[in-house]
Amino acid sequence: AQSVTQPDIHITVSEGASLELRCNYSYGATPYLFWYVQSPGQGLQLLLKYFSGDTLVQGIKGFEAEFKRSQSSFNLRKPSVHWSDAAEYFCAVGAPGTYKYIFGTGTRLKVLA
Amino acid sequence: DTGVSQDPRHKITKRGQNVTFRCDPISEHNRLYWYRQTLGQGPEFLTYFQNEAQLEKSRLLSDRFSAERPKGSFSTLEIQRTEQGDSAMYLCASSEQGYEAFFGQGTRLTVV
Repeated sequence: AQSVTQPDIHITVSEGASLELRCNYSYGATPYLFWYVQSPGQGLQLLLKYFSGDTLVQGIKGFEAEFKRSQSSFNLRKPSVHWSDAAEYFCAVGAPGTYKYIFGTGTRLKVLA
Repeated sequence: DTGVSQDPRHKITKRGQNVTFRCDPISEHNRLYWYRQTLGQGPEFLTYFQNEAQLEKSRLLSDRFSAERPKGSFSTLEIQRTEQGDSAMYLCASSEQGYEAFFGQGTRLTVV
């Protein structure tokens, strides 16, 4: 079955520290992969996407993610977290051609001043 | 274009009432999606349209739910005889064929 796992429900980091959010997926073929961010009561904003090609992708707000086919992972990273990064982060996989997304349950990020 | 727009942002309704939500996608996008997000969960796919054709419906979309996109532009999602379990955030998204989806701010439904 197709699924996305975000093993960390909550993560707390200090401002200026590095961040890595984990995402593992189960899919029949190489899917399209996405990271979205959601602030409380708001919709989803796309941070970055992977369709094909270079496995290290750059996104907005200084985020990057690396696709590792052998590990079925697409982890999100940021070298230095800012207080404004506190939000919920969702990893998603999409079916090429249909764009029906399957989302993980999200990781809530808290940033300490 | 200011992105995907959803109306209303919040809706409180009594159990058993009907509600309708509207979504205006980004103007050049031919695909439109509805998702539902409950507290502490990621969004779950409900249905999607390519132009005016509804091409896929999730089994989550019970008979009480209906979605339309009559002219291939805006879309409506109606829930009949609402139940407390329908309380959730309803998210609309749109995309061009072959590209990523952009989400609206959502409509938060509370059934009391």
